[in-house]
Amino acid sequence: GNSVTQMEGPVTLSEEAFLTINCTYTATGYPSLFWYVQYPGEGLQLLLKATKADDKGSNKGFEATYRKETTSFHLEKGSVQVSDSAVYFCALNGHAGAGSYQLTFGKGTKLSVIP
Amino acid sequence: EAGVAQSPRYKIIEKRQSVAFWCNPISGHATLYWYQQILGQGPKLLIQFQNNGVVDDSQLPKDRFSAERLKGVDSTLKIQPAKLEDSAVYLCASSLEQGDTYEQYFGPGTRLTVT
Repeated sequence: GNSVTQMEGPVTLSEEAFLTINCTYTATGYPSLFWYVQYPGEGLQLLLKATKADDKGSNKGFEATYRKETTSFHLEKGSVQVSDSAVYFCALNGHAGAGSYQLTFGKGTKLSVIP
Repeated sequence: EAGVAQSPRYKIIEKRQSVAFWCNPISGHATLYWYQQILGQGPKLLIQFQNNGVVDDSQLPKDRFSAERLKGVDSTLKIQPAKLEDSAVYLCASSLEQGDTYEQYFGPGTRLTVT
């Protein structure tokens, strides 16, 4: 079946530091890849997505590139802010059998940014 | 545009009791999903509807969980009887259609505590 593995947290960074959260996946076929973010007390929000190999998703200074050869979709940001403190989830949307598509999530990585 | 609505936001029940959650998706969204998110893990799909039909319920514990979307709009998820391990956040999401490129929009969730 499909699965997503992302680096475990928590991750604590100082403001303006560089961020990388690793994500690798296993899937049949060619899934779409997503990063979702969950801010404290809020629901899941889509941060960025990529639907095919070599696509780069970007939003709010975050970037991730769909690497089919390494089955990876690592999240990066050049300079984090305190407001980026949240839990980040890597996810794939791929075939789940019987013609359905299913969103499969990683366990999440908690990021804390300190001033 | 109104987002996905869920109620209640919090629920505390004793084991063996029953509980129901309600979800109203974004207007016009044909596909509705229920997820279970246990603390420290990513969301896990329980059931997916396309209009008022079930697309995938392979991970729904059918001996105690049930869900319906009678008119193809709002949906209810029921647990009867509840067990301690059902303590989790139950998330509802909707998308315009089913497919790997369609974004899923999440509601705020219902936090269930079973004592």
